[in-house]
Amino acid sequence: QVQLVQSGAEVKKPGASVKVSCKASGYTFTDYYIHWVRQAPGQGLEWMGWINPNRGGTNYAQKFQGRVTMTRDTSISTGYMELSRLTSDDTAVYYCTRESPDDLADYWGQGTLVTVSS
Amino acid sequence: SSELTQDPAVSVALGQTVRITCQGDSLRSYYASWYQQKPGQAPVLFIYGKNNRPSGIPDRFSGSSSGNTASLTITGAQAEDEADYYCNSRDSSGNSVLFGGGTKLTVL
Repeated sequence: QVQLVQSGAEVKKPGASVKVSCKASGYTFTDYYIHWVRQAPGQGLEWMGWINPNRGGTNYAQKFQGRVTMTRDTSISTGYMELSRLTSDDTAVYYCTRESPDDLADYWGQGTLVTVSS
Repeated sequence: SSELTQDPAVSVALGQTVRITCQGDSLRSYYASWYQQKPGQAPVLFIYGKNNRPSGIPDRFSGSSSGNTASLTITGAQAEDEADYYCNSRDSSGNSVLFGGGTKLTVL
């Protein structure tokens, strides 16, 4: 069955960077785009961007351009999202999702809590 | 357009029918999908495309669309349907993704 398993919770200081991983299983990793979505405490879902695992192409939401980098390692079926210059506003749960021909986010990772605090 | 608009909160009596709506210009070109999220859990896909349910989603959930508005209807709401519901779609350019602000459904 399709699974997206994310790395564990992180605590970072303001100004630092964080890199979250998303390991895919149960399907061919390079056949489906990976998206990243975040959710601040008590808030809604916010789309951050996508990566094409096949060719590595990316598209980032304008809000995060210059601060986010999405990469992948096809040898281990894993996608990564790195966010730099963290502030307290970046405290959120970060999710990876899989885009299929049917839907933009048919499977979700379990989420990774990133806390930014001095 | 760069927005999808949802009512922040909706309530329904147990066993009654409720409609949750999502408005945005991009919905004239793209179908909305609907996700259910319960506290402390990741969202789960409930409706996609014209009106499709993934395996395991109860048939009391259905989707529809007209003009710039997409709707999620629950026919015979159950206590376990109390949750946050989010819509999403591509934006008008087709290259980015929009999420609605979410609707908190209370089952009375």
